[in-house]
Amino acid sequence: AQKITQTQPGMFVQEKEAVTLDCTYDTSDPSYGLFWYKQPSSGEMIFLIYQGSYDQQNATEGRYSLNFQKARKSANLVISASQLGDSAMYFCAMREPNTGNQFYFGTGTSLTVIP
Amino acid sequence: NAGVTQTPKFRVLKTGQSMTLLCAQDMNHEYMYWYRQDPGMGLRLIHYSVGEGTTAKGEVPDGYNVSRLKKQNFLLGLESAAPSQTSVYFCASKDGSLFNQPQHFGDGTRLSIL
Repeated sequence: AQKITQTQPGMFVQEKEAVTLDCTYDTSDPSYGLFWYKQPSSGEMIFLIYQGSYDQQNATEGRYSLNFQKARKSANLVISASQLGDSAMYFCAMREPNTGNQFYFGTGTSLTVIP
Repeated sequence: NAGVTQTPKFRVLKTGQSMTLLCAQDMNHEYMYWYRQDPGMGLRLIHYSVGEGTTAKGEVPDGYNVSRLKKQNFLLGLESAAPSQTSVYFCASKDGSLFNQPQHFGDGTRLSIL
């Protein structure tokens, strides 16, 4: 079974609008961490935001926020006020203690911001 | 700050040739990782290391070997390259002290096997 599932291969959003990128995960470990990365066309991987399983509040970092629904095992990334520079691939990843120090990545969502 | 540096950035090999990809980090991180990225597949873990002298298999280790002789370096070897190993390879490192620390990635190595 896939540890991380990103069901949206591609998404479009109008500039200045908000967009939600979906991520669901599969784990039986009560302790885990969820990460989102951005990969622009230049190829580098850029860390965006982290959510811990025991965190009481949804994580926020500037225009990025996480809609963390623990019971549904989802950790959707919300980008507010989209900018042209947000066009990129976005990857959700999970780390869980019982698998050592491995990170599991989803297949990614390609976001295109339309002017 | 250099962060994570991968060498080379591009390489074309013939089937059966061998080569080594080098990853160097200057952040004194304990953990290092090698991934491959293929279209539609996301990042898949090949091997990883939790400290100098230790390595472990990831999701797709076949056809690859690794070594971590020095804390700052993590080498990925292809003994006999195959076309199926055409991919973009990423190295990452992580501070081992805190669970919530993200991985820091290199810029990737684009490898083509003909």
